[in-house]
Amino acid sequence: QKEVEQNSGPLSVPEGAIASLNCTYSDRGSQSFFWYRQYSGKSPELIMFIYSNGDKEDGRFTAQLNKASQYVSLLIRDSQPSDSATYLCAVNWWGNEKLTFGTGTRLTIIP
Amino acid sequence: EPEVTQTPSHQVTQMGQEVILRCVPISNHLYFYWYRQILGQKVEFLVSFYNNEISEKSEIFDDQFSVERPDGSNFTLKIRSTKLEDSAMYFCASSEQGTGGEDEQYFGPGTRLTVT
Repeated sequence: QKEVEQNSGPLSVPEGAIASLNCTYSDRGSQSFFWYRQYSGKSPELIMFIYSNGDKEDGRFTAQLNKASQYVSLLIRDSQPSDSATYLCAVNWWGNEKLTFGTGTRLTIIP
Repeated sequence: EPEVTQTPSHQVTQMGQEVILRCVPISNHLYFYWYRQILGQKVEFLVSFYNNEISEKSEIFDDQFSVERPDGSNFTLKIRSTKLEDSAMYFCASSEQGTGGEDEQYFGPGTRLTVT
């Protein structure tokens, strides 16, 4: 089983709609979860992080964590064309310092 | 807003040559990292560095690679005897803390390394 899995997409969402991105992970003890946005040819940009079960909201973004089901998701409300990018899920298993990334989901917002 | 910087933005080198990639982490951060991303592939961890020593490294980070903090601001990645498969984007990242999980890593803009 891969450690961090994401649907590679592409995921197409109409402008103004909600984009939903999902990530599953291997359960190896306590973890922290990070969502990064990566535009083509650019570096990962941190959007959200979540450590506890439940929802965490920041502006148009909501991260949802369900440890029992081993998944974390990112919702983007009122999607804008500028949200078109690849979204990377990253996991830090406590006791390690590295981030383990998924392959990313390519999101396209259709005007 | 503080940010991680990296130089050069693009480095072209011939196979077998040595390259040094440079990074200036965010000033109050204590943990430094190198990741790489081969074109079309996922971001991969190479090494983490704390208190002037390597704290964690991946299987990719073999004897060909080394890291150093030569002064109070710079953090470097040296790749000896480069190979074609070393061609990738190399990202430096930094964080205030490290282990324990509740810490965010901020990435620099990257250095695109092309080995010919």
